[in-house]
Amino acid sequence: SQQGEEDPQALSIQEGENATMNCSYKTSINNLQWYRQNSGRGLVHLILIRSNEREKHSGRLRVTLDTSKKSSSLLITASRAADTASYFCAPENNAGNMLTFGGGTRLMVKP
Amino acid sequence: KAGVTQTPRYLIKTRGQQVTLSCSPISGHRSVSWYQQTPGQGLQFLFEYFSETQRNKGNFPGRFSGRQFSNSRSEMNVSTLELGDSALYLCASSLPTGETQYFGPGTRLLVL
Repeated sequence: SQQGEEDPQALSIQEGENATMNCSYKTSINNLQWYRQNSGRGLVHLILIRSNEREKHSGRLRVTLDTSKKSSSLLITASRAADTASYFCAPENNAGNMLTFGGGTRLMVKP
Repeated sequence: KAGVTQTPRYLIKTRGQQVTLSCSPISGHRSVSWYQQTPGQGLQFLFEYFSETQRNKGNFPGRFSGRQFSNSRSEMNVSTLELGDSALYLCASSLPTGETQYFGPGTRLLVL
């Protein structure tokens, strides 16, 4: 299955620290997307990284992609309490717009 | 541009009833996908519509169906509701393939 699997399942840090979340997948991908979800709400798109890209930045977010290891990581620098949420990676293969999600990483940032 | 909108936002139904959920994609987006999120199963792909045709389908029973209209708006229908259908139903829209999917706020369905 193309499902992304996030690691760790839960992460608790202090405000100002960096948070790193990892994602692994099983087959070749077209791109990989990272999303954030605040409790019970819709998914907010963070970053899309294509299979031919290795790193991408957006504000305090840095995403890396290693297609040889079939893995990606999301780094949030200088975390804030507002970053508290669940984070999901979603690999997309070439079969169309079908994202498969793992269980996500629940991040708690303590003030 | 306005984001993806979903109606209704909350819904309570009883077992055996049917329900129809609606999704309006971002203007210009022709692909609409539906997902179900439950505490036990997580986020699962239901189906994707593009140009009024179902292009991908997840592993859900036939009670779950959908359609897309010529203006790209989409509806999903669940017939003969079961308690386990209680979930947050999310739709997402995007350009045809390989681009960012933008999610709506979801419809929270409670089946009693």
